[in-house]
Amino acid sequence: DIQLTQSPSFLSASVGDRVTITCRASQGISSYLAWYQQKPGKAPKLLIYAASTLQSGVPSRFSGSGSGTEFTLTISSLQPEDFATYYCQQLNSYPPLTFGGGTKVEIK
Amino acid sequence: QVQLVQSGAEVKKPGASVKVSCKASGYTFTSYGISWVRQAPGQGLEWMGWISAYNGNTNYAQKLQGRVTMTTDTSTSTAYMELRSLRSDDTAVYYCAREAYGGTGTTVGFDYWGQGTLVTVSS
Repeated sequence: DIQLTQSPSFLSASVGDRVTITCRASQGISSYLAWYQQKPGKAPKLLIYAASTLQSGVPSRFSGSGSGTEFTLTISSLQPEDFATYYCQQLNSYPPLTFGGGTKVEIK
Repeated sequence: QVQLVQSGAEVKKPGASVKVSCKASGYTFTSYGISWVRQAPGQGLEWMGWISAYNGNTNYAQKLQGRVTMTTDTSTSTAYMELRSLRSDDTAVYYCAREAYGGTGTTVGFDYWGQGTLVTVSS
């Protein structure tokens, strides 16, 4: 199974900050990586797919990059509604489709 | 608009079974696969398996093999997930999610999700 390791698992940031979250895969997954945002009590929301393609309707302050084993999600200027938990997911090799452990972004 | 509406919360005893439904609307049901994902309290996301709404083919997570069955009813555009021999560590919110496809037809993520169904396993 492909393991995904996210870092950090928790980060504290202020509105307006640039935030970067990393996701590392235990083996190469090409660009078959998606990013989700989840708020408490809600279902995850797809932000980015194919490592760098913005899902329709997602603000352009979100961006993704990477291929192979290392990927990043960047929020260029953190907004109050962005405080949430973020997950990466690999879709290169399954079953199983695996998720990273999550990164919780909280207000500093 | 695309919607996935799941059945309500369940409380089950250890050893029992639960069947969660996911009714789709707003799109051609048989054109997309459905995955089931669960989330234990305070924990991350765990993929449980996938079903093709087109032909009923399935793929399950190995750790759930033998306990989980995913089915669809195309006449009502509804997907079902049944989990048997429930244990306390099956307590979780269960989500259905629709596959999103990239330009080459490969699955690139899950673009629509149900609202989640809390299943509590307790004696």
